[in-house]
Amino acid sequence: AQTVTQSQPEMSVQEAETVTLSCTYDTSENNYYLFWYKQPPSRQMILVIRQEAYKQQNATENRFSVNFQKAAKSFSLKISDSQLGDTAMYFCAFMNHISNFGNEKLTFGTGTRLTIIP
Amino acid sequence: GAGVSQSPSNKVTEKGKDVELRCDPISGHTALYWYRQSLGQGLEFLIYFQGNSAPDKSGLPSDRFSAERTGGSVSTLTIQRTQQEDSAVYLCASGSLAMNTQYFGPGTRLTVL
Repeated sequence: AQTVTQSQPEMSVQEAETVTLSCTYDTSENNYYLFWYKQPPSRQMILVIRQEAYKQQNATENRFSVNFQKAAKSFSLKISDSQLGDTAMYFCAFMNHISNFGNEKLTFGTGTRLTIIP
Repeated sequence: GAGVSQSPSNKVTEKGKDVELRCDPISGHTALYWYRQSLGQGLEFLIYFQGNSAPDKSGLPSDRFSAERTGGSVSTLTIQRTQQEDSAVYLCASGSLAMNTQYFGPGTRLTVL
């Protein structure tokens, strides 16, 4: 079974600064996907960024980027030029992929509550 | 286009009553998932539908929980004889094989008194 660990329950940073959220995972699989989801107080889970395990290049989406270290099973999220709207819970998630069948469930970490301070 | 929708947004019920929660996935998505988010358990998988295949029910916590998906689209999660520990936010997500990504609805907050 896969596990996902987020060791930072809470973080805070000044507006416009850069912050990095940590995530490690454990799996014996080779073909999988990793995600960061954001959950603001509205409770809507919003996809932030996705990484395919077979790709060595780190994914980037505007101010959001990841540092994917497959051998270390590490998947951190970097938020640059943080904005007040980035305040939310951030969940790291793992999804196994089975070719010709489809995908499996998401396994989530316990989340990091990020607060952006004005 | 329209995202995943869920209804009701909030549901308050009395212990022992049955409840039905509804999920409308994104049009064309063949995969549909239910998750539960509670204070003590975090986010946990409940059930997964993929096309016409038999659903993966491995996450359902008890036989009081069931789900169906009609016509490969709308899904209903039913909780019978609700207990206080069923209080949680129930999240639905949908996805397609090509995209390998799950998109979530806004959730239903269930409160069992």
